[in-house]
Amino acid sequence: QKEVEQDPGPLSVPEGAIVSLNCTYSNSAFQYFMWYRQYSRKGPELLMYTYSSGNKEDGRFTAQVDKSSKYISLFIRDSQPSDSATYLCAMSPVYNQGGKLIFGQGTELSVKP
Amino acid sequence: DVKVTQSSRYLVKRTGEKVFLECVQDMDHENMFWYRQDPGLGLRLIYFSYDVKMKEKGDIPEGYSVSREKKERFSLILESASTNQTSMYLCASSSTGAANEKLFFGSGTQLSVL
Repeated sequence: QKEVEQDPGPLSVPEGAIVSLNCTYSNSAFQYFMWYRQYSRKGPELLMYTYSSGNKEDGRFTAQVDKSSKYISLFIRDSQPSDSATYLCAMSPVYNQGGKLIFGQGTELSVKP
Repeated sequence: DVKVTQSSRYLVKRTGEKVFLECVQDMDHENMFWYRQDPGLGLRLIYFSYDVKMKEKGDIPEGYSVSREKKERFSLILESASTNQTSMYLCASSSTGAANEKLFFGSGTQLSVL
């Protein structure tokens, strides 16, 4: 079983929809939770970062962490065609050296005009 | 603007060839990483380096080696390429090495081994 599980999709939604992207994990030591966005033919870019449990909002994006369920989510409100990309969750324990992230498989999202 | 540059976007090599993938960053970052990305498997760490001439194995180092002779450059070497090394290779860098630090990625090299 993988440490981090993410539904690869693809997920297709109409413009303006609310998108929910999710990851589950098995390692209770994970404390840092990140979402990276990867456009086609590009490298991933950090989108959101959350420490431990709780919510974090940045514009149309909200990241949620539920450590009791070992479940994290990324919500995109009023989705736009420019949000079409692959979204990767990534996690790390506090004690890990930087950059040693454990990534999910990535969810491919397509937002149709 | 921060930049991580990978020398080739696409590479096609034959089984048994020695392959060099080059990565350069212009941010004076201490730390550099090589990941590979495969459908259904996500990104997996191959090797990383926290200083010049230093290297450490990641989760899947078998069949690979690395070289870091200068701070800005980190090379991934496939000693004898095999078909199961066909993949997208991503180089990344970061500045402090903290567990929650942002990684800056290059655009990747799609390697096909025939």
